[in-house]
Amino acid sequence: EAGVTQFPSHSVIEKGQTVTLRCDPISGHDNLYWYRRVMGKEIKFLLHFVKESKQDESGMPNNRFLAERTGGTYSTLKVQPAELEDSGVYFCASSTLGGGAEKLFFGSGTQLSVL
Amino acid sequence: GDSVTQMEGPVTLSEEAFLTINCTYTATGYPSLFWYVQYPGEGLQLLLKATKADDKGSNKGFEATYRKETTSFHLEKGSVQVSDSAVYFCALSSGYALNFGKGTSLLVTP
Repeated sequence: EAGVTQFPSHSVIEKGQTVTLRCDPISGHDNLYWYRRVMGKEIKFLLHFVKESKQDESGMPNNRFLAERTGGTYSTLKVQPAELEDSGVYFCASSTLGGGAEKLFFGSGTQLSVL
Repeated sequence: GDSVTQMEGPVTLSEEAFLTINCTYTATGYPSLFWYVQYPGEGLQLLLKATKADDKGSNKGFEATYRKETTSFHLEKGSVQVSDSAVYFCALSSGYALNFGKGTSLLVTP
């Protein structure tokens, strides 16, 4: 069974450009989460989808970030325009409905560098 | 709000040394506590967990005990191996989301 897949694994862009990160959850997982780790800091919750609906986006830093999950399958996280402070590792995680925190499966992350 | 504080790294140990990584938490209520590990080039993996006070989580020789009186969940291993080199994250559940610490990088040398 495939795990949570994220791509690209690395992205280097210039300030002001747009970047789109993609996450493919484990098949059948209705819960999908995005987290971010800025260098030297904690991994922070960004948002939570249940199927295609945003359940909680309280962790999204600002309106330059847009997450979508059309059809309730894969999700994208777009940053437009990117700023230097957006650099970090973006993790995606998924779980089945009713699966608690201990049942989360994480992807290997996308390392975003904004220059 | 809920938060986790873990010791800063990096930690460098010789193979077979004893490992302790400290983690303390602040939370309302009684969260579940976790240790996650990220090996180089891989995703976060759940290492162990404890869901209530005095529970001990264990896996792969690692242990951590949920201490309510000291609000701690320190990670220990009696004899580390080179393959344990990774970044370790302490976390607590806050509803359906996880609150993580900053991570502690561990390097084990032969």
